Amino acid sequence: TQLLEQSPQFLSIQEGENLTVYCNSSSVFSSLQWYRQEPGEGPVLLVTVVTGGEVKKLKRLTFQFGDARKDSSLHITAAQPGDTGLYLCARDTGTASKLTFGTGTRLQVTL
Amino acid sequence: NAGVMQNPRHLVRRRGQEARLRCSPMKGHSHVYWYRQLPEEGLKFMVYLQKENIIDESGMPKERFSAEFPKEGPSILRIQQVVRGDSAAYFCASSPRGLSNTEAFFGQGTRLTVV
Repeated sequence: TQLLEQSPQFLSIQEGENLTVYCNSSSVFSSLQWYRQEPGEGPVLLVTVVTGGEVKKLKRLTFQFGDARKDSSLHITAAQPGDTGLYLCARDTGTASKLTFGTGTRLQVTL
Repeated sequence: NAGVMQNPRHLVRRRGQEARLRCSPMKGHSHVYWYRQLPEEGLKFMVYLQKENIIDESGMPKERFSAEFPKEGPSILRIQQVVRGDSAAYFCASSPRGLSNTEAFFGQGTRLTVV
């Protein structure tokens, strides 16, 4: 059973455009993490959000955690080719056990 | 401080052979997680180990797959009698403690191809 749905699955945009990707679940998260994975590499953590309604910024990336802690969004302003990659959200299970990853959004930014 | 090291980066095995994937966690990390990623998909949890103990293996197939994290040396994911469906990228992650609100650091992965 896929607990985290990400949308869109694929996104191809031109440099300079803005975009938003989403991560949704029917259950509440204790925390949520966003990762970016480049081709041939492992995922790299971008941010962890913990509090409902929380907004975190990382340069041109803005992460928001929904008030009910069931969803999250990642907004990229003025996308650049270096933003190309697979964006994954992940939630922990509230125990030490594991992260559950979403289906991913594959972003391609072209010149 | 070296990151999580996985080797080999690429591994080709014929059907029926054994595959051994190695993961050295970051210094000071005693928690190791293995994930599998099929092309164009997200990461699927396989197993969680803490030095010498398997804590959670709920994502690992019951047959042909095993994992260990000995007191000394890297964590090993072992796949016996590989089949074509085992072809995937296998990622290892480590953390200093359990993953509740703690960052996991991933290695670069081992890409297994079964021919």
